[in-house]
Formats: sequence, structure tokens, C-alpha cells
Amino acid sequence: GNSVTQMEGPVTLSEEAFLTINCTYTATGYPSLFWYVQYPGEGLQLLLKATKADDKGSNKGFEATYRKETTSFHLEKGSVQVSDSAVYFCALAGYSTLTFGKGTMLLVSP
Amino acid sequence: EAGVAQSPRYKIIEKRQSVAFWCNPISGHATLYWYQQILGQGPKLLIQFQNNGVVDDSQLPKDRFSAERLKGVDSTLKIQPAKLEDSAVYLCASSSPSGISYNEQFFGPGTRLTVL
Repeated sequence: GNSVTQMEGPVTLSEEAFLTINCTYTATGYPSLFWYVQYPGEGLQLLLKATKADDKGSNKGFEATYRKETTSFHLEKGSVQVSDSAVYFCALAGYSTLTFGKGTMLLVSP
Repeated sequence: EAGVAQSPRYKIIEKRQSVAFWCNPISGHATLYWYQQILGQGPKLLIQFQNNGVVDDSQLPKDRFSAERLKGVDSTLKIQPAKLEDSAVYLCASSSPSGISYNEQFFGPGTRLTVL
């Protein structure tokens, strides 16, 4: 079956540091890949997505590239802000259902 | 455009009691999902509706959980009787299927259930 593995947190960074959150997946076929973000007290929000190999999703300074050869979709940001503190979930979709990783908490200090 | 609405936001009950959660999806969204998110884990799909029909309920513990979407709009998820391990955030999401491939799901704020 489908599964997603992402690095455990919390990830603690200082403002303006570089961020990488690793995500690898196991799936049959050609899934779409996503990063969702959950701010404290709020629901999940789609951050970015990629629907085929070598696609790069980007939003709000975050980027992730769909690497089929390594079955990975690592999230990166060049300079994090305090407001980026949240839990980040990597997910994949076959047709209509989502499979999520366990989430990685990011804490950014001033 | 209004987002997915859920209520209540928080609920505390004792084990063996029953509880119900309500979800109102985005207007026009035919597909509705209920997820369970246990602390420290990612959301797990419990049930998916297409209009008022069930598409997937393979991970719904049917001995105690039930869900309905009678008119193809609002949905209710019920737990009866609750167990300690049901403590979690229950998320509702909706999407508008295009029949092509995956369609973005929009999530509500969730209901945090604590079972004592």
C-alpha cells in the first residue's frame, strides 16, 4: 500500500536559516505529492503540490521537487521566518484519497 | 468563499459516552471526507462520501463509529460508545471532483475530542 515517511521533529531553527524537511514515499503507480501546513489551532492548508516526476511545487518561498528515482519530495526554504512555525505534513494521493506522513514540527526563533 | 465549517471545536466526554461532530463542506463540493488525527500522527481517512453515498469506509471502526450525509451536503460523525483511544482531532474536508485525477481537499479547523 501507499505510505509516506518524513523526518521526525521538532526542527528548531533561527530566523533566516535554511530549512529542509525530508519526505520519502512508497506508492504504486504515479501519485501526486503534496505538502500541507497546519498552524496552531487551525486546519490543514495545502502549501504546494507536484503531480508528476521532476515537477517543482512552490509557494510562499517553499519549494519541493518530485524525484521519482529517489521516491522523495523534500521541502526546502532558503530563509525561514518566525511565522513559518507550524507542523508540516507530506502526503501523496492516488486517485481521490490522501495518505499522510506523521508530520514535522518546525519551530523558528527570532 | 466560506471554508469548511465544523462544530464543536472542542469536546470532552467520559469513556462509554456518545458524541457527535458536524461538518458543513464548501458549497458545491460533492465529496466529503472525515479524518482522525491522533496526536503525533498524520490524519487517517475514516470515511469518504460522494454526494450522499459512501465511497470508502474501510478504516471506519464500524462497531462504534457511524457517519451520514443524508442530503449530500452536511455530514455528522458519531462515536458510540467512546473509548480512551478515540481522543484525537477529527477533521472534515471537502473537494469538488472533476473526474480527471486528484482534486484538492479543503480542510476544516477540526474538532478536538478528549475522552476521559
